[in-house]
Amino acid sequence: DGGITQSPKYLFRKEGQNVTLSCEQNLNHDAMYWYRQDPGQGLRLIYYSQIVNDFQKGDIAEGYSVSREKKESFPLTVTSAQKNPTAFYLCASSIVIGDPSNEQFFGPGTRLTVL
Amino acid sequence: GQQVMQIPQYQHVQEGEDFTTYCNSSTTLSNIQWYKQRPGGHPVFLIQLVKSGEVKKQKRLTFQFGEAKKNSSLHITATQTTDVGTYFCAGLSNRDDKIIFGKGTRLHILP
Repeated sequence: DGGITQSPKYLFRKEGQNVTLSCEQNLNHDAMYWYRQDPGQGLRLIYYSQIVNDFQKGDIAEGYSVSREKKESFPLTVTSAQKNPTAFYLCASSIVIGDPSNEQFFGPGTRLTVL
Repeated sequence: GQQVMQIPQYQHVQEGEDFTTYCNSSTTLSNIQWYKQRPGGHPVFLIQLVKSGEVKKQKRLTFQFGEAKKNSSLHITATQTTDVGTYFCAGLSNRDDKIIFGKGTRLHILP
């Protein structure tokens, strides 16, 4: 059963702590993405990766870090440097960036609340 | 920077009325995609338009891509309660292959 998974669904952390959000896909997709969604703001791109061991900053990368050591996995770390980390985080994957058939498949999301 | 503007931000319609959301890009797009996000859910791909002036239909949904490949619209005929959600457009920039999402239009159906 192919798909993209994120865990956990809800996450609570104290201010000043780093936290890592998991994203795994078994679709054999090359490209993976992290978005942040705030009410009324749509989807804002944090980081994306087109291939293993390579990733690029999106529009709001400050305070976040990623790694892409395996094709299936693209974890996102929200660091203490992120000034307003409470948000809904969505991970997505697609076959290849720039391919006209680059439909994105989204995971169920992680809602992070920093207390 | 490159932007994709989507209007309206919110729309309330009576069940059975039509609904349209519009997307406008500051730059030419290679393609445009539309996604639907149900309340509490995640975005799900609806369709992709690639050709200038392209029109595609999915049952009560009609999608259009402008001649200049800078704007797009989604029209729903005779809305139903199952249409509730937020509709996003996402344009693929032909400059740098970056995907830019609009802020979405939240559709609420009044019974």
